[in-house]
Amino acid sequence: GAVVSQHPSRVICKSGTSVKIECRSLDFQATTMFWYRQFPKQSLMLMATSNEGSKATYEQGVEKDKFLINHASLTLSTLTVTSAHPEDSSFYICSARDGGSGGYEQYFGPGTRLTVT
Amino acid sequence: ELKVEQNPLFLSMQEGKNYTIYCNYSTTSDRLYWYRQDPGKSLESLFVLLSNGAVKQEGRLMASLDTKARLSTLHITAAVHDLSATYFCAGPQGGSEKLVFGKGTKLTVNP
Repeated sequence: GAVVSQHPSRVICKSGTSVKIECRSLDFQATTMFWYRQFPKQSLMLMATSNEGSKATYEQGVEKDKFLINHASLTLSTLTVTSAHPEDSSFYICSARDGGSGGYEQYFGPGTRLTVT
Repeated sequence: ELKVEQNPLFLSMQEGKNYTIYCNYSTTSDRLYWYRQDPGKSLESLFVLLSNGAVKQEGRLMASLDTKARLSTLHITAAVHDLSATYFCAGPQGGSEKLVFGKGTKLTVNP
């Protein structure tokens, strides 16, 4: 099946700094990628939809100025957490669908665990 | 807006036993997803159910979809310890590709 990678897998940063997380589709092109956040022992919550070549669309309650999304190519989307605070500590997961395959499978990256101290 | 409810949220079962996890969703949906998540890991795709009456099986897991009842089930047959994980069902929001997840069912299989 198709593979989605994320980098880094873990990051620890200080409060007030910014962190960039990359999401790559390795063997397919993705015009749309999704960013989710998962707090401990909770489910996944969609944060935003990343669209190649256009602005991301954010879910209600997600601050677009804090979570900057850039989808610069058909295989790469980045999420930048700006001015991170401890409450941003979470597991961030991206996903993408291989539209070229004609299927509905959504492939998830391995996730990035962010800890803000 | 789609809402997805799973039950039970916690399930402790003995090896060799059978059980079913239920996933109810609130609005019409043409497909339903099941995922597995191990502690500290991301999601592993188990099944994509695309039509009413769809049934898929992989090993000891079998998933079905009843779009009229807005219900999907994940049936576990003769559970083994390796099946211990959290299982999520998810449906697409409003015909889009955005997925709405249930709260997950944490399954523990005891020897």
